[in-house]
Amino acid sequence: TQLLEQSPQFLSIQEGENLTVYCNSSSVFSSLQWYRQEPGEGPVLLVTVVTGGEVKKLKRLTFQFGDARKDSSLHITAAQPGDTGLYLCAAYQGAQKLVFGQGTRLTINP
Amino acid sequence: EAGVTQSPTHLIKTRGQQATLRCSPISGHTSVYWYQQALGLGLQFLLWYDEGEERNRGNFPPRFSGRQFPNYSSELNVNALELEDSALYLCASSLLAGATGELFFGEGSRLTVL
Repeated sequence: TQLLEQSPQFLSIQEGENLTVYCNSSSVFSSLQWYRQEPGEGPVLLVTVVTGGEVKKLKRLTFQFGDARKDSSLHITAAQPGDTGLYLCAAYQGAQKLVFGQGTRLTINP
Repeated sequence: EAGVTQSPTHLIKTRGQQATLRCSPISGHTSVYWYQQALGLGLQFLLWYDEGEERNRGNFPPRFSGRQFPNYSSELNVNALELEDSALYLCASSLLAGATGELFFGEGSRLTVL
């Protein structure tokens, strides 16, 4: 079983639409990270959320950490083709290793 | 500043052979992580090295092993290759070992086992 469950696994939408992807767990985390991976590259950190209920914005991307620090969401407003990629959430397990969800593969069609 | 570099970019082996993958971390980073990514989906934690020591390993058989050298570069060895070992192997380095630090990833080594 995955420590971090991401949904949906695949999402294909038209340019200009809004979307939300989710990262859920039954465990409580001190922090949670979101990465984006583009084809042929390694994942790149987008944001780290630390406080329960925290909201962080990165241009058209809005990240929220759940009040109980068990889940997180990523909302994209007016999606652009450049947003296409694999979105991964990650959290430290026991402060020793960073574990990842299985990812949401997002495709934005022009 | 150079990022994390991995070699080779691609590697083709046959079943039963051994593969060696190499990683150079960002200068000043002492922690190196290895992940396996199959089918372009999530990353599975393989190994974590810090200051030359193996600090943690994931749920992989012993034929997956590695080491970290005094200059903090690292090597991942996979013995007795199986078809299901075909994957992208990603190396990452971090400045803050075992904390909430960001991981900086290389572009990966794609291993194909025939």
